[in-house]
Amino acid sequence: KQEVTQIPAALSVPEGENLVLNCSFTDSAIYNLQWFRQDPGKGLTSLLLIQSSQREQTSGRLNASLDKSSGRSTLYIAASQPGDSATYLCAHTSGSRLTFGEGTQLTVNP
Amino acid sequence: DAGVTQSPTHLIKTRGQHVTLRCSPISGHKSVSWYQQVLGQGPQFIFQYYEKEERGRGNFPDRFSARQFPNYSSELNVNALLLGDSALYLCASSRQLGSYEQYFGPGTRLTVT
Repeated sequence: KQEVTQIPAALSVPEGENLVLNCSFTDSAIYNLQWFRQDPGKGLTSLLLIQSSQREQTSGRLNASLDKSSGRSTLYIAASQPGDSATYLCAHTSGSRLTFGEGTQLTVNP
Repeated sequence: DAGVTQSPTHLIKTRGQHVTLRCSPISGHKSVSWYQQVLGQGPQFIFQYYEKEERGRGNFPDRFSARQFPNYSSELNVNALLLGDSALYLCASSRQLGSYEQYFGPGTRLTVT
């Protein structure tokens, strides 16, 4: 059974700090790795999709990397802002089914 | 373009009742998936539909069923509701089957009392 683990479960940082969120998965035979953001009580917003043939993707202050051999992905957030406060979820794709981690709850303090 | 839409936004039901949740995918998307998210956990896969056929099912009891219509919208039905069914139900759409980016709706918050 494929499992996805996210570390840390919660993170609190001061505004302006660079930070890294970690995601690990047990089966390296994944297709894609997708990072999402979820605000309290809301749906999921797709941040970045890394296809299996890629090593990383960048969007603005966000950079996600994928290392299939080690079963790891990281989400790097540069110059964090209070508006980045949310839960960040990683999910891998097997076929069309997404398997999620339990998320990292990020708080960026002004 | 409109994103994935879901209705209703919130719903309160009593144990033993039945509920129907609705989802409209992004225009041009043919695949719809349903996920259950219990508070404090990541979403869990329930169903995937493509071209009106079930293409995947997660580890959920037969009380859960779904269907997809010719316009690619979808319904999730849950019978004989239990307290443990209280959750945020998320719908996601993608263009095709396979490893395409999935886009989520705002969810339906179901509370079973």
